[in-house]
Amino acid sequence: DSGVTQTPKHLITATGQRVTLRCSPRSGDLSVYWYQQSLDQGLQFLIQYYNGEERAKGNILERFSAQQFPDLHSELNLSSLELGDSALYFCASSVGSGLEIASDTQYFGPGTRLTVL
Amino acid sequence: AQSVTQPDIHITVSEGASLELRCNYSYGATPYLFWYVQSPGQGLQLLLKYFSGDTLVQGIKGFEAEFKRSQSSFNLRKPSVHWSDAAEYFCAVGAYGNKLVFGAGTILRVKS
Repeated sequence: DSGVTQTPKHLITATGQRVTLRCSPRSGDLSVYWYQQSLDQGLQFLIQYYNGEERAKGNILERFSAQQFPDLHSELNLSSLELGDSALYFCASSVGSGLEIASDTQYFGPGTRLTVL
Repeated sequence: AQSVTQPDIHITVSEGASLELRCNYSYGATPYLFWYVQSPGQGLQLLLKYFSGDTLVQGIKGFEAEFKRSQSSFNLRKPSVHWSDAAEYFCAVGAYGNKLVFGAGTILRVKS
């Protein structure tokens, strides 16, 4: 158990819909990262938040957005869903901001499996 | 741009045999390298990491990895595989801003 929690575990929805995935980081971690794991794209970094502020952005679609709240939990919002958005979405957390990577290991949650029908 | 190549999609080894999973990276600066393992239905668990210093890194569950700058490689090894090691293994390089760039993964099957 990494200490990172994600809800829900599974989500099934239809095309065009909007969903929200939730992540609670390990106690004391200030950074939250979102990754998408799909069969065709593999594991890809989406976005990072540090202490409530966006810190780094990866291959995140404009239909997707995220935020980190004052209690440090994070939500990933996916809208206008398409079949291709079906994937496993991971959240990870780390202590630091990402500028001192040597001391900043990312711990992953169990993931949310999204199925778009 | 950073990239990671894991040339083997699947590997099958017999229980008790030795294991080596290959990983090659491309990164302009000093790389920060990681190996993660993903069991079915589970998240990613960190096995080991390399930042600097000794090029042979020890991890959990009896795994080790060796960083070879001249070959841009960071291969994962285990001297004796157990059935519980069957999983998917991901090599990753830490890029600017701490985002991880992952390889495509290697699925390890262990036969008894």
